[in-house]
Amino acid sequence: GNSVTQMEGPVTLSEEAFLTINCTYTATGYPSLFWYVQYPGEGLQLLLKATKADDKGSNKGFEATYRKETTSFHLEKGSVQVSDSAVYFCALSDGATNKLIFGTGTLLAVQP
Amino acid sequence: GAGVSQSPSNKVTEKGKDVELRCDPISGHTALYWYRQSLGQGLEFLIYFQGNSAPDKSGLPSDRFSAERTGGSVSTLTIQRTQQEDSAVYLCASSFPGLAGSSYNEQFFGPGTRLTVL
Repeated sequence: GNSVTQMEGPVTLSEEAFLTINCTYTATGYPSLFWYVQYPGEGLQLLLKATKADDKGSNKGFEATYRKETTSFHLEKGSVQVSDSAVYFCALSDGATNKLIFGTGTLLAVQP
Repeated sequence: GAGVSQSPSNKVTEKGKDVELRCDPISGHTALYWYRQSLGQGLEFLIYFQGNSAPDKSGLPSDRFSAERTGGSVSTLTIQRTQQEDSAVYLCASSFPGLAGSSYNEQFFGPGTRLTVL
């Protein structure tokens, strides 16, 4: 079945450091791919998405590119801020129902 | 501004009791999803509604779990004879329906109901 694997956390970085959170997927067909973010004490929010191969999703300085050849959707940001501290979830959508299949989540802690 | 709302926000119950969790989706969203977020299992899909029908119940963990949706709007997730392993945050999400063959419609999540079974 479809699945998502993302790197274990926690990831601890200093402010202005470069961020990569790896995500790979297994899926039949061509799912859409997502990054969701959960800030402390808040609900799950869509951060960015890509719906087909080679698409790049971007938002708030974060980017991820849908790589079909490597079945990956790694999240990157060039310069993280303390306010980026949160749990990040990679996910794919099942085309038949659009239900989301999530990775385990990666806690990011950014220190000033 | 009407986002997805869920009630109660917190629920503490004793093992063996029944609980009902409520979800009010965004107006006009015909697709509704329930997910569960727990320490051991991460974020997992439970059930999907399109209108009042549930074509995908594959994520419900046991027959103690059931859900219904009425009027194409409010949904209730019921857990009978709760067990300690049911403790989790239960999330509801809604979206517009996907077009046939489309692969995406953004899901908007509610704040969740934190269930604690003692």
